[in-house]
Amino acid sequence: QKEVEQDPGPLSVPEGAIVSLNCTYSNSAFQYFMWYRQYSRKGPELLMYTYSSGNKEDGRFTAQVDKSSKYISLFIRDSQPSDSATYLCAMIPLSYGNKLVFGAGTILRVKS
Amino acid sequence: DAGVIQSPRHEVTEMGQEVTLRCKPISGHDYLFWYRQTMMRGLELLIYFNNNVPIDDSGMPEDRFSAKMPNASFSTLKIQPSEPRDSAVYFCASSSGTGGVQPQHFGDGTRLSIL
Repeated sequence: QKEVEQDPGPLSVPEGAIVSLNCTYSNSAFQYFMWYRQYSRKGPELLMYTYSSGNKEDGRFTAQVDKSSKYISLFIRDSQPSDSATYLCAMIPLSYGNKLVFGAGTILRVKS
Repeated sequence: DAGVIQSPRHEVTEMGQEVTLRCKPISGHDYLFWYRQTMMRGLELLIYFNNNVPIDDSGMPEDRFSAKMPNASFSTLKIQPSEPRDSAVYFCASSSGTGGVQPQHFGDGTRLSIL
C-alpha cells in the first residue's frame, strides 16, 4: 500500500463547476500538507500549504485537512479551462525532515 | 524573484554517454532536492542536500548516478554511463529551512531522452 493514495483521473468537468480533488494517507505522522499544480512540460507549482486540520482558503481554492480521517481535499470553485493541469498532493511527516511524499497526481480537464 | 533554474531544458543523447544536469536554487534557500518523474512511477526523490551537504541519497537508483553541490548556488546531477531506462524528466527543487518546514519550489525540469 502506498503511503499516499490519489486517484489519477482524468477528471473532466464543465467550465464553472466546483472541482473536488482528494488524497488519503496511511501515516499518521504526516503533519504538513501541500497541493501542487503541474502544467504540461512545467515543474510543479505550489498552490496551497497547510499544517493544521481545517480549511484554508485562497481565492477560488480551498484546502481541507482532516487528520482524524487521514484525508485531504482541494476544492476549486468556478473552474476555468486554465485550471486544466495535474494536481499533486504532497505531505511531510515530522520524522522525514524536509522530504516530501507525493501522491500520483490527478489530471483535471475543464471544458469550455 | 528568480525561481529555481535548471539546464539544459532538453537533452537527447546516446546510451553510454555521460549526462550532466544543472540546477541553481533560489537564493537564500538551504535545502536542495533532485527528483525524477516518469509516467509509471510519478515523482521520486533521488537525493537532497542541506547547506551543501548530502543528507539522504537513498533514492539514487544506482552507482551510475551521482550528485554534487559545490556551493550554495549550484548543484549537478550526473549519470555515467546513461541507459535508455534513465529517460525521464528530472526536477530540481529548493526550500528554506528557516521557520520550520517550508514548502519546496520546483524548476521546470530537464527532459532527458537516452537513445
